[in-house]
Amino acid sequence: GDSVTQMEGPVTLSEEAFLTINCTYTATGYPSLFWYVQYPGEGLQLLLKATKADDKGSNKGFEATYRKETTSFHLEKGSVQVSDSAVYFCALFNTNAGKSTFGDGTTLTVKP
Amino acid sequence: DVKVTQSSRYLVKRTGEKVFLECVQDMDHENMFWYRQDPGLGLRLIYFSYDVKMKEKGDIPEGYSVSREKKERFSLILESASTNQTSMYLCASSTQSQNTEAFFGQGTRLTVV
Repeated sequence: GDSVTQMEGPVTLSEEAFLTINCTYTATGYPSLFWYVQYPGEGLQLLLKATKADDKGSNKGFEATYRKETTSFHLEKGSVQVSDSAVYFCALFNTNAGKSTFGDGTTLTVKP
Repeated sequence: DVKVTQSSRYLVKRTGEKVFLECVQDMDHENMFWYRQDPGLGLRLIYFSYDVKMKEKGDIPEGYSVSREKKERFSLILESASTNQTSMYLCASSTQSQNTEAFFGQGTRLTVV
C-alpha cells in the first residue's frame, strides 16, 4: 500500500534559521502530494501542494518540489519565524485508493 | 470558505457508553473521512465515505462504526467506549478530484474514563 515517511522530530530552530523537513513516499500510480500544518489546538490546514512531477508548491515562504525520481517532497523555508511553530504533515492522495496517506508529523519549535 | 464543523471540541465519556461524534461540511464534498491522532502515531484513518450511505474501512476500524445518511454529515460511532479510544478525532472532507486537498475540522478531544 501507499506510505509516507517524514523526518522525525521534534525540530527546534532559532528565528531566521533555514528549515528542511524531509518527506519521501511510496505509491502506485501518480499521486498528488501535500504539506499540511497543524497549529496548537486546531485541525490540519493545507500549506501547499503539487499535483505532478517537477511541480513546485509554495505558500507563506514555504516551498516543496515534487521529485518523482527520488519519490520525495521535502519542505523548505529560508527564514523561519516564531509563528511557524506547529506540526507539519506530509501527505499524498492516490485516486486508486480513494484516500490520503499521511506521514507521522514533524513538530517544529522556533525560538526567538 | 469551506467549513468542516465537528460537534464538540472536548468530550468526556464513561467506559461502555455509546458515543456519537458528528461532522458536517458545507461544500458539497463527496468524500468524508474520520481519523484519530495520537502522539507518535500521526493520523490514522478509521473510516471514510465517498457517497451517501457508502462507507469503507480505513486502517483501524475496530471498535468504530460510521453513518452517512446525508451528503453533508458523517457520524463516527463508538459502540462501547473504552479507555484506549481516548484520542483526538479529526473529520475531513474533499472532492473526488486527486488534485484538491482535504479540509479538516477543528478536532474533538475525547477522553474515556
